[in-house]
Amino acid sequence: GNSVTQMEGPVTLSEEAFLTINCTYTATGYPSLFWYVQYPGEGLQLLLKATKADDKGSNKGFEATYRKETTSFHLEKGSVQVSDSAVYFCALLLYNFNKFYFGSGTKLNVKP
Amino acid sequence: SQTIHQWPATLVQPVGSPLSLECTVEGTSNPNLYWYRQAAGRGLQLLFYSIGIDQISSEVPQNLSASRPQDRQFILSSKKLLLSDSGFYLCAWSVPGTGGNYGYTFGSGTRLTVV
Repeated sequence: GNSVTQMEGPVTLSEEAFLTINCTYTATGYPSLFWYVQYPGEGLQLLLKATKADDKGSNKGFEATYRKETTSFHLEKGSVQVSDSAVYFCALLLYNFNKFYFGSGTKLNVKP
Repeated sequence: SQTIHQWPATLVQPVGSPLSLECTVEGTSNPNLYWYRQAAGRGLQLLFYSIGIDQISSEVPQNLSASRPQDRQFILSSKKLLLSDSGFYLCAWSVPGTGGNYGYTFGSGTRLTVV
């Protein structure tokens, strides 16, 4: 089947620390991979995506590289800010399908 | 530009009461539409998706139903709410014909508390 597994949260970091949120996937086809962010009380926003192996998605200082050999799409940021505190969702989309499979989300708390 | 509207933002309903949540999309035609639920401390669960008027697919058996009476309107309903229906409900749309490869655009969500 198709599924996404994310690291358990919450993740608590100090401002300017390095961030990694792990994401691995299982897919019956060849998926596109996404990271979404949900700020408190809001809906989800697309953060970045990658559509094929070795692609790197990036946005707002966040990066994730599509690793087919390890079926992973880990989210990284070199220096987090308090404003990055949110819940981050990894998701996969199979080509020619109309629906996403989301991970359970990882809550990030950044302290000043 | 395309926008998605979802309302109400918050709702407190007693057990056994009916439910109607509405979602509308502007600025696009024939969007793919989705209802997701996020239970407290859990991830997103796809409830329903629709690729056209009156074309609804249900992902999980449950106490809820969905309808799409117009091209850009998607409604989530229940005849009798259960406590377990509490959660954060998100509507989303994607560009038709792309398989969602440009990502979803989500509404701002409805927080439903069943008491």
